[in-house]
Amino acid sequence: ETGVTQTPRHLVMGMTNKKSLKCEQHLGHNAMYWYKQSAKKPLELMFVYSLEERVENNSVPSRFSPECPNSSHLFLHLHTLQPEDSALYLCASSQEWWVSGGSYEQYFGPGTRLTVT
Amino acid sequence: GNSVTQMEGPVTLSEEAFLTINCTYTATGYPSLFWYVQYPGEGLQLLLKATKADDKGSNKGFEATYRKETTSFHLEKGSVQVSDSAVYFCALTRTGNQFYFGTGTSLTVIP
Repeated sequence: ETGVTQTPRHLVMGMTNKKSLKCEQHLGHNAMYWYKQSAKKPLELMFVYSLEERVENNSVPSRFSPECPNSSHLFLHLHTLQPEDSALYLCASSQEWWVSGGSYEQYFGPGTRLTVT
Repeated sequence: GNSVTQMEGPVTLSEEAFLTINCTYTATGYPSLFWYVQYPGEGLQLLLKATKADDKGSNKGFEATYRKETTSFHLEKGSVQVSDSAVYFCALTRTGNQFYFGTGTSLTVIP
């Protein structure tokens, strides 16, 4: 596998279910991200991890719980979701999280299409 | 605050037509600007970028020029192909750790 992979690619869950999304990056990067992509809206940054520590949490409801056990893996644990949480969830990674005076390209996975019924 | 506004789609063009997708931004200081492309069923891929005013980013026949005076970074291609059908996202970052994306513009190129 190369780049950033995500599993599953599609997920349908009821509002009372618990599920997890998985992301793995094979690029040797130190930063990983979760984004939510909804129709007609800008990508919403949800969480950022740098060297396995959470560095950003953009007012995301507690029903979304991230986990980063090592710099290659990132999980998003889901429980008691709402129908409005249906979206495409994208994982991304970059070489570093913060750089002064510059920027690092983010590499994205294909996403998990989540439908909450 | 920082934000990106791009033209709403969908955009439908015939093959070999000229493409422009408008993008304007609001940012403090001097951001870096990006265009990402998302092909069906795939994640976003960096298409091109520009890190300072008057820079021109280019890749695969696409170009965009960082215009500070008009706070714009419009994407252009002289002759589109069916394979260019995708969703295009304009984005900016100030520090590299927080990216701000537009809503995306869907492009369909018909033979």
